[in-house]
Amino acid sequence: GDSVTQMEGPVTLSEEAFLTINCTYTATGYPSLFWYVQYPGEGLQLLLKATKADDKGSNKGFEATYRKETTSFHLEKGSVQVSDSAVYFCALRNNQGGKLIFGQGTELSVKP
Amino acid sequence: SAVISQKPSRDICQRGTSLTIQCQVDSQVTMMFWYRQQPGQSLTLIATANQGSEATYESGFVIDKFPISRPNLTFSTLTVSNMSPEDSSIYLCSVEGGGPAEAFFGQGTRLTVV
Repeated sequence: GDSVTQMEGPVTLSEEAFLTINCTYTATGYPSLFWYVQYPGEGLQLLLKATKADDKGSNKGFEATYRKETTSFHLEKGSVQVSDSAVYFCALRNNQGGKLIFGQGTELSVKP
Repeated sequence: SAVISQKPSRDICQRGTSLTIQCQVDSQVTMMFWYRQQPGQSLTLIATANQGSEATYESGFVIDKFPISRPNLTFSTLTVSNMSPEDSSIYLCSVEGGGPAEAFFGQGTRLTVV
């Protein structure tokens, strides 16, 4: 079945460091891909998305490119801030209207 | 977008008791979803709740343990019945809307069973 695998956390970075959180997926067909963020004590919020191959999703300085050839959707940010500390979830939905499938989440901690 | 309010935000319950979690949406939606997030793990879909029909449960989840109500297009409840410590999790309500396949989530209910 469909699945999402993320790099394990926690990831600890200093402010202004470069961030990469790896995400790979297994799916039939051409899923839509998402990154969700969960700030402490809050629910999940959509960070960015891509619905077809080679699309790049971006928001708040974060980017991720839908790479069909490597079945990946890695999250990147050039310069992280303390306020980016959160848990990040990669997810997919099969375009046949199936349910959202989440990765296990990666906790990011940014130190000043 | 949709604004989703869940309550309670957290609770500590005795084993063998039941807790009902409420989810209120600020707009009418066809489907509402309930997820479980166990400690240190990802989100798992429990069930999909449509207004006017019985909820559809995912493999591993049953109505007797997680009864769901969906009385109208803006409200749903999830009950965690006969709780055990293994039920300690965050429970999240979700709806879909906006762009293709996007989902919106409530802030979650952090449940601890002692």
